[in-house]
Amino acid sequence: QQQVKQSPQSLIVQKGGISIINCAYENTAFDYFPWYQQFPGKGPALLIAIRPDVSEKKEGRFTISFNKSAKQFSLHIMDSQPGDSATYFCAASRKGSSNTGKLIFGQGTTLQVKP
Amino acid sequence: DTAVSQTPKYLVTQMGNDKSIKCEQNLGHDTMYWYKQDSKKFLKIMFSYNNKELIINETVPNRFSPKSPDKAHLNLHINSLELGDSAVYFCASSQERWGLDISKNIQYFGAGTRLSVL
Repeated sequence: QQQVKQSPQSLIVQKGGISIINCAYENTAFDYFPWYQQFPGKGPALLIAIRPDVSEKKEGRFTISFNKSAKQFSLHIMDSQPGDSATYFCAASRKGSSNTGKLIFGQGTTLQVKP
Repeated sequence: DTAVSQTPKYLVTQMGNDKSIKCEQNLGHDTMYWYKQDSKKFLKIMFSYNNKELIINETVPNRFSPKSPDKAHLNLHINSLELGDSAVYFCASSQERWGLDISKNIQYFGAGTRLSVL
């Protein structure tokens, strides 16, 4: 119930294309869903985050789509650029006793954008 | 100014040794975390402190002992290092553990400490 499943494991996209990464969760108590971007040798950095009362959130070229009934959420990167090549992690957390703030991460997706 | 800084960046040591990793945040945050990233890049929380109080303690061997001398610092001491401890360890901080304002939930990560146990 604590898992977050992420797919695909790796993704190759041409420059200008759309990159789509999907995540699924089981615990309906999760109420915060961030996406993190990690470049080699660096720590993860927040890209965009959403709460389950919103079905979509867009920031620049990055969009989170959230489907509460299906318990799925996805990251769309529009007009993908070589500089977007990185590892992307979805995550989830919830409020509630000692688990508050505990981020459960997906397995990660390595994105390569070809010029 | 780095928001969350960890030292050292690299740590190479022999099995059985004891080592420490230090973390400092200058964001004025109340909550700090330690995460472990394994060779497959999987990130897992180890510990969380809120205002110097241990809040989250995952199933981590008791050879790992976190210490928070003040709100801005969270150190990780590892005794009797084993080969399986080789990983990248990340420190992170957030303004709150959970807030109605989504921005207060954001966890800011340090650059990581790559630990290699030989």
